[in-house]
Amino acid sequence: GQNIDQPTEMTATEGAIVQINCTYQTSGFNGLFWYQQHAGEAPTFLSYNVLDGLEEKGRFSSFLSRSKGYSYLLLKELQMKDSASYLCAVMDSNYQLIWGAGTKLIIKP
Amino acid sequence: GAVVSQHPSRVICKSGTSVKIECRSLDFQATTMFWYRQFPKQSLMLMATSNEGSKATYEQGVEKDKFLINHASLTLSTLTVTSAHPEDSSFYICSATIPKKGSFSYEQYFGPGTRLTVT
Repeated sequence: GQNIDQPTEMTATEGAIVQINCTYQTSGFNGLFWYQQHAGEAPTFLSYNVLDGLEEKGRFSSFLSRSKGYSYLLLKELQMKDSASYLCAVMDSNYQLIWGAGTKLIIKP
Repeated sequence: GAVVSQHPSRVICKSGTSVKIECRSLDFQATTMFWYRQFPKQSLMLMATSNEGSKATYEQGVEKDKFLINHASLTLSTLTVTSAHPEDSSFYICSATIPKKGSFSYEQYFGPGTRLTVT
């Protein structure tokens, strides 16, 4: 079956760095997405990785290792507004998105 | 960036009534739109894929006669929850992809969501 695993909840301090991991087992691979979702709102797109390596976009970076079925989202200089759920999603061979359950990130002052 | 709107943002209805949710792409034409449902503290669950001018493709376990999807134009898809029951109370989100010539566009733009409460 297809499976995406990410931690349920993480806590970090304002100004610090946090890494949210995602491992996946899917039938085929056509890219991995990270989305941010604030409570009661729809997800917003953060990043898309289809090749191995690190993609940096401002305070957020996303890394992918296809051989290991592994990705992480790195958030630097954490701000209180970064408190949200972070969803990992993989596009499989049928171009369907398989969603992880999301990681709730709590930022403390 | 591309904008997707949904209407209404919140709706409360009585059990047995039907509710229509609209999803519009405001500044682009979306040949494909997706409808998701999200229960509290759970991830997004794809309900159906809506293609303009054709019947929607429903995911396993989603009743197509209960959740009617109409993608009448390149900028509008509607989801109608028929004979709603309290267990249909959920957050319904639509998304759309921007078609690009010669390649797949993988980025999905989400609408703000519609919170449905059935009493």
